[in-house]
Amino acid sequence: NAGVMQNPRHLVRRRGQEARLRCSPMKGHSHVYWYRQLPEEGLKFMVYLQKENIIDESGMPKERFSAEFPKEGPSILRIQQVVRGDSAAYFCASSPKEGLRTQYFGPGTRLLVL
Amino acid sequence: DAKTTQPPSMDCAEGRAANLPCNHSTISGNEYVYWYRQIHSQGPQYIIHGLKNNETNEMASLIITEDRKSSTLILPHATLRDTAVYYCIVLNYNNNDMRFGAGTRLTVKP
Repeated sequence: NAGVMQNPRHLVRRRGQEARLRCSPMKGHSHVYWYRQLPEEGLKFMVYLQKENIIDESGMPKERFSAEFPKEGPSILRIQQVVRGDSAAYFCASSPKEGLRTQYFGPGTRLLVL
Repeated sequence: DAKTTQPPSMDCAEGRAANLPCNHSTISGNEYVYWYRQIHSQGPQYIIHGLKNNETNEMASLIITEDRKSSTLILPHATLRDTAVYYCIVLNYNNNDMRFGAGTRLTVKP
């Protein structure tokens, strides 16, 4: 059973460009979470999604950031018009649909904005 | 903000037990205690969780006090590869709210 997969693992963008980060949850998992980790800091919750629904986006910046988890395909975290402050590691986690929803994390995408 | 308090750093000798404490004095009845660790810049790795009973798996043991206000993660025979930041998290079963604090940076020394 493959774990949570994220791609790309590293992404370099220039200021003003768009960044698209993808997350494929573990097989059988229908809940996805995105976290951001700035250098030398802890993980900060961004958004929690189920298939086709955003459940909690209380940690998402109000502008430029969006997330989706379509019926088919991976979850996407999209950052428009990136700025240098967006440089961070972005981690995705997934959890099962039923029962206690232990979260399992992917390896992360390291975004560098030049 | 996190609902847990952990020491910022700890050292442990290789081969000895590492005991990592966590205070969660405001924990409520439907909240679980979870432990994760993050090795260097990798994704957090799930270690163990518990509600009120002590738990053990192949990685670690979790000791939860009777009043549930604190817990201890025990790595019975620490190795150099156990050097990581260890996060104690209180997870609400109903809303799946999981908040990471600063964690404890454990350094295992030869």
